[in-house]
Amino acid sequence: NAGVTQTPKFQVLKTGQSMTLQCAQDMNHEYMSWYRQDPGMGLRLIHYSVGAGITDQGEVPNGYNVSRSTTEDFPLRLLSAAPSQTSVYFCASTSGRAGTGELFFGEGSRLTVL
Amino acid sequence: DAKTTQPTSMDCAEGRAANLPCNHSTISGNEYVYWYRQIHSQGPQYIIHGLKNNETNEMASLIITEDRKSSTLILPHATLRDTAVYYCIVAQNSGGYQKVTFGIGTKLQVIP
Repeated sequence: NAGVTQTPKFQVLKTGQSMTLQCAQDMNHEYMSWYRQDPGMGLRLIHYSVGAGITDQGEVPNGYNVSRSTTEDFPLRLLSAAPSQTSVYFCASTSGRAGTGELFFGEGSRLTVL
Repeated sequence: DAKTTQPTSMDCAEGRAANLPCNHSTISGNEYVYWYRQIHSQGPQYIIHGLKNNETNEMASLIITEDRKSSTLILPHATLRDTAVYYCIVAQNSGGYQKVTFGIGTKLQVIP
């Protein structure tokens, strides 16, 4: 099993550009989520999904869109990137619709917005 | 609002036990205590979790006080590879992670 796979690992954008961070898991987990981590800070929840077709906002959802068309994939979209979105983004998943037990994380996507 | 409080940093001599404390005085009856660690800038890694009984696995032990208001993660024989940021979080075992923010954690430095 590959676990949780994030692409790309690094990305540089200009202000106003759009892009999608990809996240895929091969563990048949129902719960998936996106976090951002800024220097000296912990991980803040952006969006999460408890199953295909179901998404909801976390603590810092503004500027980000998500969708969950399949169990495996949970892409994070930045429609108009801003310098404040410069961060490291982590995708995570766990089994169970409610989000329980061990949370598996990807290796992160490092985004710089100029 | 953070539901857990941890020291910002700690040092531990290599080969000694590392005891990482966490306060979670507002924990509710259906919330579990989870510990994760993050090495360098990698994705966080699950270590252990528990409800009220002490737990042990191949990585660590978790000691939860009887009133459940605090806990201690014990790495019995710390190695240099245990240098990392350790996060203590509380989450319900049903819908838990939806409401969880990982704080800044404890930066553990294992010293040779």
